[in-house]
Amino acid sequence: KQEVTQIPAALSVPEGENLVLNCSFTDSAIYNLQWFRQDPGKGLTSLLLIQSSQREQTSGRLNASLDKSSGRSTLYIAASQPGDSATYLCAVTNSGGGADGLTFGKGTHLIIQP
Amino acid sequence: KAGVTQTPRYLIKTRGQQVTLSCSPISGHRSVSWYQQTPGQGLQFLFEYFSETQRNKGNFPGRFSGRQFSNSRSEMNVSTLELGDSALYLCASSRSPGVSTDTQYFGPGTRLTVL
Repeated sequence: KQEVTQIPAALSVPEGENLVLNCSFTDSAIYNLQWFRQDPGKGLTSLLLIQSSQREQTSGRLNASLDKSSGRSTLYIAASQPGDSATYLCAVTNSGGGADGLTFGKGTHLIIQP
Repeated sequence: KAGVTQTPRYLIKTRGQQVTLSCSPISGHRSVSWYQQTPGQGLQFLFEYFSETQRNKGNFPGRFSGRQFSNSRSEMNVSTLELGDSALYLCASSRSPGVSTDTQYFGPGTRLTVL
């Protein structure tokens, strides 16, 4: 059974710092990996999707990498801003076309101090 | 283009009652998935529908059921509510399942409180 772990569970940094969020998964037979953010009481917003054949994806100040063989992904946030404060969730789609849905980590709760 | 909509946004029910939640996917999206989010368990997959057929179901009891209509709108039903069913229920839509580039778009969720 796929398990996804995110470290750290919480992180507080001053504005302007670059930071890295980590995600690991136990079964490397994945279809893709997605990073989401969730604001309090809200739904999820997709940030980046990395297909299993890709190594990284970039969107603005965000860069996500994927090392499928080692079961790891990182989300790099450059020049953090208070508006980046949210919970960041990592999710994998297992091989088989996602018939068993996304498997999520518990998330990293990020606070950017002004 | 309108996002995923979920109704109602908030619900308060008592134990033993049943509840129906609704999800309207993004126009053109035919796949709808449901997830339960609780502080203890995090996000857990409930089921996915495509072309009015349930593709798979997560590890939840039979009290949890769903369906999808011909216009891709979906409903989920929980019967005989228990206190532990209190959660945020999220719906996600995508164009179709099994596409590795297909991002899932989530709705704002329905917050269910069981008293």
